[in-house]
Amino acid sequence: DVKVTQSSRYLVKRTGEKVFLECVQDMDHENMFWYRQDPGLGLRLIYFSYDVKMKEKGDIPEGYSVSREKKERFSLILESASTNQTSMYLCASNPPGRSPLHFGNGTRLTVT
Amino acid sequence: TQLLEQSPQFLSIQEGENLTVYCNSSSVFSSLQWYRQEPGEGPVLLVTVVTGGEVKKLKRLTFQFGDARKDSSLHITAAQPGDTGLYLCAGARSSGSARQLTFGSGTQLTVLP
Repeated sequence: DVKVTQSSRYLVKRTGEKVFLECVQDMDHENMFWYRQDPGLGLRLIYFSYDVKMKEKGDIPEGYSVSREKKERFSLILESASTNQTSMYLCASNPPGRSPLHFGNGTRLTVT
Repeated sequence: TQLLEQSPQFLSIQEGENLTVYCNSSSVFSSLQWYRQEPGEGPVLLVTVVTGGEVKKLKRLTFQFGDARKDSSLHITAAQPGDTGLYLCAGARSSGSARQLTFGSGTQLTVLP
């Protein structure tokens, strides 16, 4: 089975801190994604990557950046955390094409 | 703009009842996926429907893709507490881009014993 692992289940950070969310997948998938999930809003795409060092903005990239130095690892970076970035963050991966997404278990980030 | 509207947003029913969840859009999708998310976990794929009018069954769950590929429904027969979770539909466009899926806002289902 595909395994997508997010390094932290829960994070509490202060406003202005730089925050790193890490995601690793073990199935050699080309595509990796970062979503945020908020009640009533579903999943909104922040960034995705279709290859090492390649990235594209999703629907809500403001305040975020990403890094993909290795195929299996996709990092989400909050340069200066703000309270409106308190959310559940989900990482996902899939092979090329319209294959279903495989999700990690999420990181619940609280910014105080 | 939310391209996929799910209804109802919340649903609480007794064990043994039937229910239907709807996923509607004004856009045409090449395929539509349904996911279920349980507390503390990421969404897990239940089914993908591809052809207009297609019906797929997964035990007590029946999924249908609209003829025009703009809408879908999920029907659960004789719901059980284990069906409790957040149900998400996600439509895929035919653009071929890796930016593939548009998610609905979700339906939170609670099945009471």
